[in-house]
Amino acid sequence: DQQVKQNSPSLSVQEGRISILNCDYTNSMFDYFLWYKKYPAEGPTFLISISSIKDKNEDGRFTVFLNKSAKHLSLHIVPSQPGDSAVYFCAAFAVGNEKLTFGTGTRLTIIP
Amino acid sequence: SAVISQKPSRDICQRGTSLTIQCQVDSQVTMMFWYRQQPGQSLTLIATANQGSEATYESGFVIDKFPISRPNLTFSTLTVSNMSPEDSSIYLCSVEDPQGSPNYGYTFGSGTRLTVV
Repeated sequence: DQQVKQNSPSLSVQEGRISILNCDYTNSMFDYFLWYKKYPAEGPTFLISISSIKDKNEDGRFTVFLNKSAKHLSLHIVPSQPGDSAVYFCAAFAVGNEKLTFGTGTRLTIIP
Repeated sequence: SAVISQKPSRDICQRGTSLTIQCQVDSQVTMMFWYRQQPGQSLTLIATANQGSEATYESGFVIDKFPISRPNLTFSTLTVSNMSPEDSSIYLCSVEDPQGSPNYGYTFGSGTRLTVV
């Protein structure tokens, strides 16, 4: 039972344009959603999070949008830079059960 | 955020042997988590390790196969026992950031890439 899904295994975006990574979930009990970035041979690095009571959170070039009714969230990166090329994981957890449930990841490639 | 030193970074092991992976954190943390990432797959939680108590294993993972130690608040080990090629994965430790999740997320070690031949 995949509670967090990233249906696009890969995405290519031109440098300077907007990258939009999508994530869907099935468990309505999740309280927080997080995005991680992973380079090869490194552990995932935390990017940004959003509470289930909010619909948007912004941090520099990164913005996460949450549509709770659709059980959908997205990460927007603008403008996209070559260093953004990595695998991005969506994750979620419920308060009181601090175990992260991860999506399968989306490989983002920024084309110079 | 917390800094985790995980080792070894990679290893190639013979089937039937065991490998112990270590994670050292630069600050005291209550919970440490061990994950596995099989090739092309997502990160799957193996177990949660609290200091002073036995680890809590997720469905599909057992203590005999993945014994965990947590002797203090800054250190933990995961052993992959009696290895088979199916155990070839990346193994990662993680901690809840001392500043508090979720705003700071969970910090991960750099991972151990294990290949069993």
